[in-house]
Amino acid sequence: KQEVTQIPAALSVPEGENLVLNCSFTDSAIYNLQWFRQDPGKGLTSLLLIQSSQREQTSGRLNASLDKSSGRSTLYIAASQPGDSATYLCAVLEYGNKLVFGAGTILRVKS
Amino acid sequence: DAGVIQSPRHEVTEMGQEVTLRCKPISGHDYLFWYRQTMMRGLELLIYFNNNVPIDDSGMPEDRFSAKMPNASFSTLKIQPSEPRDSAVYFCASSQGLNTGELFFGEGSRLTVL
Repeated sequence: KQEVTQIPAALSVPEGENLVLNCSFTDSAIYNLQWFRQDPGKGLTSLLLIQSSQREQTSGRLNASLDKSSGRSTLYIAASQPGDSATYLCAVLEYGNKLVFGAGTILRVKS
Repeated sequence: DAGVIQSPRHEVTEMGQEVTLRCKPISGHDYLFWYRQTMMRGLELLIYFNNNVPIDDSGMPEDRFSAKMPNASFSTLKIQPSEPRDSAVYFCASSQGLNTGELFFGEGSRLTVL
């Protein structure tokens, strides 16, 4: 059974710092991996989608990498801002077409 | 497009009552998903549709839960009768493709069953 783990569970950093969020998954038979952001009381917003054949994707200050063989992905946020404060979730789409989510990392960027 | 639209945003009901949650997916998206989010269990897939046809409902917790998609622009998730343990945020999401498409979520329906 696919399990997705996110470390750390919570993170607090000063504004301007670069940071890395980690995601690991137990079964490498996946179609893609997606990173989401969730603000309190809101739905999930897709940040980056990495296909299984890709190694990384970039959008603005965000960069996500995927190492399928080792079952790991990282989300790098450059020059963090208070507006980046949210919960970040990763999810893998496994063969069998189920999207399995991690529990998320709660990020707080202090001004 | 306005994105995925869900209603109601909040619902408070008493145990035993019927609850109906509604979703309008993004136009042109062939896939529609219903998820449930709780603190204890995180995000769980309940059911998904492709071209209005239910494909996988293995996540539906009990027979009290049912979902329909009568057309490409509307879906419902019904709980009858509701129980306190059904209290959660229910999300609807849609995508253009299952393996390649990004998933777009609605803002969720927060259900409280007293």
